[in-house]
Amino acid sequence: DAGVIQSPRHEVTEMGQEVTLRCKPISGHNSLFWYRQTMMRGLELLIYFNNNVPIDDSGMPEDRFSAKMPNASFSTLKIQPSEPRDSAVYFCASSPPQGREQYFGPGTRLTVT
Amino acid sequence: AQRVTQPEKLLSVFKGAPVELKCNYSYSGSPELFWYVQYSRQRLQLLLRHISRESIKGFTADLNKGETSFHLKKPFAQEEDSAMYYCALGDSGGYQKVTFGTGTKLQVIP
Repeated sequence: DAGVIQSPRHEVTEMGQEVTLRCKPISGHNSLFWYRQTMMRGLELLIYFNNNVPIDDSGMPEDRFSAKMPNASFSTLKIQPSEPRDSAVYFCASSPPQGREQYFGPGTRLTVT
Repeated sequence: AQRVTQPEKLLSVFKGAPVELKCNYSYSGSPELFWYVQYSRQRLQLLLRHISRESIKGFTADLNKGETSFHLKKPFAQEEDSAMYYCALGDSGGYQKVTFGTGTKLQVIP
């Protein structure tokens, strides 16, 4: 298995633009997590899905952030409009049905200028 | 509410010295604990889990329920151990969510 796949790996955009981050979990995993990592705030859980259903989105910072999981093999995290303070590394992770260990993707490094 | 505490933001040790990264937790039930490692500009990787009682890359961690601790230890630090280490606690709910600590940066000095 290729592991959790994220795209793009790097994204540079201007303030006000829409940004879409993509994630493909490991096949057979039924939970998917989106995290944000910054130097100031560390690792923050934004939202997680179980069997494609959003379970807890209390970590989503604002209405500008939205996430979807239309099927078991794909999820998106969208920021619209983006702001400089959204600059961070965004990680996606997935977990198998019978375990709590999480497998992380390589992350998307987002820079908003 | 469950919580994971990693009291040290930075731990510096000399190569060959013993390492202990501290992790304390608060949890009402039977905890499920993990250690993750993140090398510079890479993804987080699972290092070990307490239920496996394994040793990975020379690291071990023992669950001490009396002290509510799950410290990560290695007898002799290597330069390649320099990384960010996160302790994590499985959520009490029915889903696979975990609560991560704030992380400790381990710096091994040559």
